[in-house]
Amino acid sequence: EVQLVESGGGLVQPGGSLRLSCAASGFTFSRFWMHWVRLTPGKGLLWVSRTNGDDSNTAYADSVKGRFTISRDNAKNTLYLHMSNLRADDTGVYYCAGSKKYYFVDYWGQGTLVTVSS
Amino acid sequence: NFMLTQPLSVSESPGKTVTISCTRSSGTIASNYVQWYQQRPGSGPTTVIYEDNLRPSGVPDRFSGSIDSSSNSASLTISGLKTEDEADYYCQSHDSKMVFGGGTKLTVL
Repeated sequence: EVQLVESGGGLVQPGGSLRLSCAASGFTFSRFWMHWVRLTPGKGLLWVSRTNGDDSNTAYADSVKGRFTISRDNAKNTLYLHMSNLRADDTGVYYCAGSKKYYFVDYWGQGTLVTVSS
Repeated sequence: NFMLTQPLSVSESPGKTVTISCTRSSGTIASNYVQWYQQRPGSGPTTVIYEDNLRPSGVPDRFSGSIDSSSNSASLTISGLKTEDEADYYCQSHDSKMVFGGGTKLTVL
């Protein structure tokens, strides 16, 4: 059974940093594209970032470029999102997602809540 | 970059058929695959249609997807509605990056 389990969310002040983790199991992690997608009430889903199987090809939404870094450790079957200089509009539930192809999602996690507020 | 526009909400009775539209603002709908995701309250999303009209294993054939080049839009059709189908539905396509529609709340009453 495929499982994606996110952790690391919480309350952080504007300008602060946070690292999200996603533990994957039930599929060959190193062969999958991995993504982070954010859900914001009233705004819906927003794709945040993706990385390919060996972390050599990454991409970011314009709103997070230069502030967020996606990475993965295939030996640990874990995906990360390092978030810095956080803003209020980064608030939302962050989902880890996996796919065989870069342009859609096959598997989704249950999400971790990030709240940026003073 | 383009946008995908969905109706905010639709409602229909159990057993009936409902269609949710997703209109692409620029570029042609057929140039990039369209996906549909279901999200129930309190749960992560799940994929119900990928590559315009394909269903992942485990998704019932009551769910179907299509594209219409004349209206530059994609559609998700759910037939034989069940109360468990009540959820938010998002369309998604891509250029170099994934683009999501704003989501449609389906009420089954």
